[in-house]
Amino acid sequence: DSGVTQTPKHLITATGQRVTLRCSPRSGDLSVYWYQQSLDQGLQFLIQYYNGEERAKGNILERFSAQQFPDLHSELNLSSLELGDSALYFCASSSGEGGGYEQYFGPGTRLTVT
Amino acid sequence: GENVEQHPSTLSVQEGDSAVIKCTYSDSASNYFPWYKQELGKGPQLIIDIRSNVGEKKDQRIAVTLNKTAKHFSLHITETQPEDSAVYFCAATSYSSASKIIFGSGTRLSIRP
Repeated sequence: DSGVTQTPKHLITATGQRVTLRCSPRSGDLSVYWYQQSLDQGLQFLIQYYNGEERAKGNILERFSAQQFPDLHSELNLSSLELGDSALYFCASSSGEGGGYEQYFGPGTRLTVT
Repeated sequence: GENVEQHPSTLSVQEGDSAVIKCTYSDSASNYFPWYKQELGKGPQLIIDIRSNVGEKKDQRIAVTLNKTAKHFSLHITETQPEDSAVYFCAATSYSSASKIIFGSGTRLSIRP
């Protein structure tokens, strides 16, 4: 158990809908990262927050947005969903701001768009 | 843009033999190279990492080597065991606060009994 929690575990929704994925980092960690893992794209970095502020951005679509709240939990919002958004979404946390810190991954949320 | 290439995509070795996975990165600013192991139904887990000021690092049966000049780094697993069966990902990033982390495409390692 990494100490990172993600809810829900599974999510099935229709095209055009909007969903929110939730992540709680390990106790004491200030950074939260979001990743998308699909069969044909591997593990793609989406976005990083550190202590409530956006720090780094990867291949995140404009239809996706994220935020980190004062209690350090984070939410990833996916809107106008398309079939191609079906994937595993992982959250990870680390203690530091930069890239050189160990990241602890949660168990993931499996999103299926029908 | 930045890229990390990982080979092979699948690898099958006899239990007790060694396994080697290789990665190449393109961003010369990268200075931190973690390796993750992902078991079925779980999130990736860090197994070893190496920083650019070190050429080799070892932790029991796992070792990682780095050649900064060639922009290559490799994972070596010796005396493989059934529990080593998983997908392994290499990654490259930098210490800077605004760095992105780029993952390789993964290697599915199977250990034959």
